Amino acid sequence: EVRLVASGGGLVQPGGSLRLSCAASGFPFSMYWMHWVRQTPGKGPVWVSHLGSDGGNTDYAASVKGRFIVSRDNAKNILYLQMNDLRAEDTGVYYCTRVLESCGGHTCNPPGYLHHWGQGTLVTVSS
Amino acid sequence: DIVMTQSPDSLAVSLGERATINCKSSQSVLHSSNNQNYLAWYQQKSGQPPKLLIYWASTRGSGVPDRFSGSGSGTDFTLTINSLQAEDVALYYCQQCYSAPLTFGQGTRLEIK
Repeated sequence: EVRLVASGGGLVQPGGSLRLSCAASGFPFSMYWMHWVRQTPGKGPVWVSHLGSDGGNTDYAASVKGRFIVSRDNAKNILYLQMNDLRAEDTGVYYCTRVLESCGGHTCNPPGYLHHWGQGTLVTVSS
Repeated sequence: DIVMTQSPDSLAVSLGERATINCKSSQSVLHSSNNQNYLAWYQQKSGQPPKLLIYWASTRGSGVPDRFSGSGSGTDFTLTINSLQAEDVALYYCQQCYSAPLTFGQGTRLEIK
Protein backbone atom coordinates (compact mmCIF):
# COMPACT_ATOMS: atom_id res chain seq x y z
CA GLU A 1 0.00 0.00 0.00
CA VAL A 2 1.32 3.42 -0.98
CA ARG A 3 1.63 5.76 1.99
CA LEU A 4 2.67 9.40 2.02
CA VAL A 5 2.85 10.93 5.48
CA ALA A 6 3.55 14.65 5.61
CA SER A 7 4.70 16.47 8.71
CA GLY A 8 6.34 19.70 9.79
CA GLY A 9 3.47 22.13 9.42
CA GLY A 10 2.45 24.61 12.06
CA LEU A 11 1.90 28.26 12.91
CA VAL A 12 4.70 30.59 11.87
CA GLN A 13 5.05 34.35 11.71
CA PRO A 14 5.48 36.15 8.41
CA GLY A 15 9.10 36.01 7.36
CA GLY A 16 9.65 32.76 9.21
CA SER A 17 10.69 29.32 7.95
CA LEU A 18 9.40 25.78 8.08
CA ARG A 19 10.62 22.50 6.68
CA LEU A 20 8.00 20.01 5.58
CA SER A 21 8.79 16.31 5.33
CA CYS A 22 6.94 13.54 3.55
CA ALA A 23 7.76 9.96 4.44
CA ALA A 24 6.97 7.59 1.59
CA SER A 25 6.44 3.84 1.70
CA GLY A 26 4.87 1.03 -0.29
CA PHE A 27 6.55 1.82 -3.60
CA PRO A 28 10.06 2.31 -5.07
CA PHE A 29 10.44 5.95 -4.05
CA SER A 30 13.50 6.57 -6.21
CA MET A 31 11.53 5.75 -9.34
CA TYR A 32 8.89 8.47 -9.05
CA TRP A 33 8.70 12.19 -9.50
CA MET A 34 7.05 13.90 -6.55
CA HIS A 35 5.03 17.10 -6.30
CA TRP A 36 3.92 19.44 -3.52
CA VAL A 37 0.42 20.90 -3.81
CA ARG A 38 -1.23 23.47 -1.53
CA GLN A 39 -4.93 23.89 -0.85
CA THR A 40 -6.90 26.40 1.16
CA PRO A 41 -10.49 25.75 2.30
CA GLY A 42 -13.04 26.18 -0.48
CA LYS A 43 -10.40 26.64 -3.16
CA GLY A 44 -8.94 24.42 -5.82
CA PRO A 45 -5.53 22.84 -5.31
CA VAL A 46 -2.51 24.93 -6.29
CA TRP A 47 0.68 23.31 -7.54
CA VAL A 48 3.78 24.39 -5.61
CA SER A 49 6.77 22.37 -6.74
CA HIS A 50 8.02 19.17 -8.29
CA LEU A 51 11.18 17.13 -8.09
CA GLY A 52 12.48 14.46 -10.40
CA SER A 53 13.11 10.93 -9.25
CA ASP A 54 16.89 11.39 -8.97
CA GLY A 55 16.70 14.79 -7.28
CA GLY A 56 17.13 16.78 -10.45
CA ASN A 57 14.42 18.40 -12.56
CA THR A 58 13.10 20.82 -9.97
CA ASP A 59 10.49 23.45 -10.68
CA TYR A 60 8.48 25.90 -8.61
CA ALA A 61 5.38 28.02 -8.83
CA ALA A 62 6.27 31.63 -9.58
CA SER A 63 4.88 32.68 -6.20
CA VAL A 64 7.38 30.57 -4.26
CA LYS A 65 10.42 30.59 -6.54
CA GLY A 66 13.47 31.83 -4.66
CA ARG A 67 11.86 31.15 -1.27
CA PHE A 68 11.08 27.40 -1.32
CA ILE A 69 13.49 24.53 -1.96
CA VAL A 70 12.37 20.99 -2.71
CA SER A 71 14.68 18.04 -2.11
CA ARG A 72 14.61 14.34 -1.46
CA ASP A 73 16.58 11.59 0.26
CA ASN A 74 16.09 8.45 -1.78
CA ALA A 75 17.98 6.37 0.77
CA LYS A 76 15.48 7.34 3.47
CA ASN A 77 12.41 7.65 1.19
CA ILE A 78 11.69 11.19 2.31
CA LEU A 79 10.64 14.27 0.34
CA TYR A 80 11.28 17.71 1.78
CA LEU A 81 10.05 21.25 1.22
CA GLN A 82 12.11 24.00 2.83
CA MET A 83 9.92 27.08 3.07
CA ASN A 84 11.62 30.42 3.77
CA ASP A 85 10.40 34.02 4.04
CA LEU A 86 6.87 32.77 4.53
CA ARG A 87 3.94 35.00 3.66
CA ALA A 88 0.26 34.95 4.60
CA GLU A 89 -0.60 33.71 1.13
CA ASP A 90 1.47 30.57 1.74
CA THR A 91 -1.13 29.43 4.27
CA GLY A 92 -2.85 26.16 3.48
CA VAL A 93 -2.71 22.40 3.66
CA TYR A 94 0.37 21.09 1.90
CA TYR A 95 0.06 17.72 0.24
CA CYS A 96 2.91 15.61 -1.02
CA THR A 97 1.86 13.68 -4.07
CA ARG A 98 3.26 10.95 -6.28
CA VAL A 99 2.76 10.82 -10.01
CA LEU A 100 1.05 7.98 -11.80
CA GLU A 101 3.94 6.71 -13.92
CA SER A 102 7.36 5.64 -12.75
CA CYS A 103 10.34 7.39 -14.29
CA GLY A 104 13.78 6.54 -13.06
CA GLY A 105 16.01 8.27 -15.56
CA HIS A 106 17.28 11.81 -15.59
CA THR A 107 15.86 12.56 -19.02
CA CYS A 108 12.33 11.27 -18.56
CA ASN A 109 9.45 13.62 -17.79
CA PRO A 110 6.28 11.84 -16.70
CA PRO A 111 2.91 13.55 -17.07
CA GLY A 112 1.74 15.30 -13.92
CA TYR A 113 -1.14 13.03 -13.03
CA LEU A 114 -1.11 13.02 -9.23
CA HIS A 115 -2.03 9.46 -8.38
CA HIS A 116 -1.30 9.30 -4.67
CA TRP A 117 -1.80 12.05 -2.12
CA GLY A 118 -0.85 12.14 1.52
CA GLN A 119 -3.19 13.52 4.17
CA GLY A 120 -1.40 16.83 4.16
CA THR A 121 0.10 19.09 6.78
CA LEU A 122 -1.35 22.50 7.68
CA VAL A 123 0.83 25.59 7.42
CA THR A 124 -0.52 28.81 8.89
CA VAL A 125 1.40 32.03 8.38
CA SER A 126 0.08 34.70 10.70
CA SER A 127 1.29 37.20 13.25
CA ASP B 1 -0.29 29.67 -17.32
CA ILE B 2 -3.22 27.63 -18.62
CA VAL B 3 -6.43 28.66 -16.87
CA MET B 4 -8.94 25.91 -16.18
CA THR B 5 -12.57 27.01 -15.81
CA GLN B 6 -15.25 24.63 -14.59
CA SER B 7 -19.00 24.89 -14.88
CA PRO B 8 -21.22 24.88 -13.00
CA ASP B 9 -19.77 25.86 -9.61
CA SER B 10 -22.32 23.62 -7.93
CA LEU B 11 -24.75 21.00 -9.04
CA ALA B 12 -27.60 19.10 -7.36
CA VAL B 13 -28.71 15.84 -8.96
CA SER B 14 -31.19 13.19 -7.86
CA LEU B 15 -29.96 9.73 -6.90
CA GLY B 16 -29.80 7.49 -9.94
CA GLU B 17 -29.68 10.41 -12.35
CA ARG B 18 -26.76 11.69 -14.43
CA ALA B 19 -24.39 14.49 -13.40
CA THR B 20 -22.36 16.42 -15.95
CA ILE B 21 -19.46 18.72 -15.12
CA ASN B 22 -17.66 20.80 -17.72
CA CYS B 23 -14.09 22.05 -17.86
CA LYS B 24 -12.60 24.50 -20.34
CA SER B 25 -8.91 25.23 -20.71
CA SER B 26 -7.61 28.60 -21.89
CA GLN B 27 -5.49 26.82 -24.51
CA SER B 28 -5.47 23.37 -26.03
CA VAL B 29 -4.07 20.55 -23.89
CA LEU B 30 -3.95 18.13 -26.83
CA HIS B 31 -0.34 17.16 -27.54
CA SER B 32 0.31 16.67 -31.22
CA SER B 33 3.21 14.25 -30.63
CA ASN B 34 0.99 11.54 -29.16
CA ASN B 35 -2.55 12.84 -29.82
CA GLN B 36 -3.26 12.73 -26.10
CA ASN B 37 -5.13 15.25 -24.01
CA TYR B 38 -3.20 16.06 -20.83
CA LEU B 39 -6.31 16.42 -18.71
CA ALA B 40 -7.30 14.78 -15.43
CA TRP B 41 -10.30 14.78 -13.13
CA TYR B 42 -10.13 14.47 -9.35
CA GLN B 43 -12.74 13.79 -6.69
CA GLN B 44 -12.36 15.28 -3.23
CA LYS B 45 -14.63 14.17 -0.42
CA SER B 46 -14.96 16.18 2.76
CA GLY B 47 -11.83 16.04 4.90
CA GLN B 48 -9.89 13.97 2.39
CA PRO B 49 -7.22 14.72 -0.20
CA PRO B 50 -8.18 14.66 -3.87
CA LYS B 51 -8.38 11.29 -5.61
CA LEU B 52 -7.38 10.78 -9.24
CA LEU B 53 -10.50 9.65 -11.14
CA ILE B 54 -9.70 10.13 -14.82
CA TYR B 55 -6.49 10.84 -16.75
CA TRP B 56 -5.68 11.27 -20.43
CA ALA B 57 -9.16 12.89 -20.44
CA SER B 58 -10.97 9.56 -20.60
CA THR B 59 -8.95 6.79 -18.87
CA ARG B 60 -10.42 5.73 -15.54
CA GLY B 61 -8.07 5.34 -12.61
CA SER B 62 -7.64 2.03 -10.84
CA GLY B 63 -10.73 1.05 -8.89
CA VAL B 64 -12.85 3.89 -10.25
CA PRO B 65 -16.42 2.72 -10.96
CA ASP B 66 -17.44 2.65 -14.60
CA ARG B 67 -20.29 5.10 -13.93
CA PHE B 68 -17.56 7.77 -14.09
CA SER B 69 -16.50 8.74 -17.60
CA GLY B 70 -14.49 11.52 -19.17
CA SER B 71 -14.73 12.96 -22.65
CA GLY B 72 -13.63 15.89 -24.74
CA SER B 73 -10.56 17.11 -26.56
CA GLY B 74 -8.54 20.25 -27.12
CA THR B 75 -10.04 22.83 -24.78
CA ASP B 76 -13.43 21.41 -23.79
CA PHE B 77 -13.91 18.46 -21.49
CA THR B 78 -16.72 16.76 -19.60
CA LEU B 79 -16.93 14.50 -16.56
CA THR B 80 -20.10 12.42 -16.55
CA ILE B 81 -21.36 10.46 -13.59
CA ASN B 82 -24.13 8.06 -14.52
CA SER B 83 -26.59 6.68 -12.02
CA LEU B 84 -25.51 9.01 -9.20
CA GLN B 85 -24.84 7.35 -5.86
CA ALA B 86 -24.87 8.97 -2.42
CA GLU B 87 -21.12 8.37 -2.10
CA ASP B 88 -20.47 10.56 -5.16
CA VAL B 89 -21.18 13.73 -3.15
CA ALA B 90 -17.88 15.59 -3.39
CA LEU B 91 -15.94 18.40 -4.98
CA TYR B 92 -14.65 17.65 -8.46
CA TYR B 93 -11.63 19.30 -10.07
CA CYS B 94 -10.14 19.19 -13.53
CA GLN B 95 -6.39 19.63 -13.97
CA GLN B 96 -4.08 20.08 -16.93
CA CYS B 97 -0.54 18.76 -17.13
CA TYR B 98 0.12 19.83 -20.72
CA SER B 99 2.43 22.61 -19.63
CA ALA B 100 4.02 23.90 -16.46
CA PRO B 101 2.74 24.93 -14.05
CA LEU B 102 0.12 22.27 -13.42
CA THR B 103 -3.19 24.08 -12.98
CA PHE B 104 -6.53 23.07 -11.56
CA GLY B 105 -10.08 24.29 -12.07
CA GLN B 106 -11.89 26.08 -9.28
CA GLY B 107 -13.99 23.02 -8.50
CA THR B 108 -17.60 21.90 -8.85
CA ARG B 109 -19.57 20.90 -5.78
CA LEU B 110 -21.88 17.95 -6.44
CA GLU B 111 -24.81 17.38 -4.09
CA ILE B 112 -27.86 15.18 -3.95
CA LYS B 113 -31.17 16.82 -4.85
